[in-house]
Amino acid sequence: GQNIDQPTEMTATEGAIVQINCTYQTSGFNGLFWYQQHAGEAPTFLSYNVLDGLEEKGRFSSFLSRSKGYSYLLLKELQMKDSASYLCAVRYYGQNFVFGPGTRLSVLP
Amino acid sequence: DTEVTQTPKHLVMGMTNKKSLKCEQHMGHRAMYWYKQKAKKPPELMFVYSYEKLSINESVPSRFSPECPNSSLLNLHLHALQPEDSALYLCASSQGAGGERNYGYTFGSGTRLTVV
Repeated sequence: GQNIDQPTEMTATEGAIVQINCTYQTSGFNGLFWYQQHAGEAPTFLSYNVLDGLEEKGRFSSFLSRSKGYSYLLLKELQMKDSASYLCAVRYYGQNFVFGPGTRLSVLP
Repeated sequence: DTEVTQTPKHLVMGMTNKKSLKCEQHMGHRAMYWYKQKAKKPPELMFVYSYEKLSINESVPSRFSPECPNSSLLNLHLHALQPEDSALYLCASSQGAGGERNYGYTFGSGTRLTVV
């Protein structure tokens, strides 16, 4: 299988920086996506990485190391509205997305 | 139009009822998906349609029956469901299925289904 691991829960303070890690099996890797999902709502696309390195998009950045099977999502200047689940999803060649278990982030005042 | 529209948003049905969930997109996406999501869990893939043909059925019970009338529409017909089928049902679409480039998913807002 393509086990994807993420921390189950994280807590951070408003205004701080938080890093959410994701590890995955590398064989057949063809892209990694991060999604944000507020409770009871649909996942929304945050970022896409297929090459090594950092992709920055406003307060959010995503990093990928293909050789290590590792990615992280970095959230800066945390706001209360960032409290949500963050899903790491990996696409493998010839297959559809495999979602990780998701990380529930709580931002405290 | 950059959305996936799902109806209804909420549905309560009895175990003997027959109902349908609907999904629509007008982005020209050729792959459409049904996912089931229980609380505090990631989405679980149920079905994949690629170019209007069912390409993946993830061992879903026959009480769930998908249908793709055309490239813009995807239905999920429900019959004789069990209370444990209560969940958020998400529809998604993408430009292509499988390994083609950067084909991220666009998700609909989901149908919250309760089986009583």
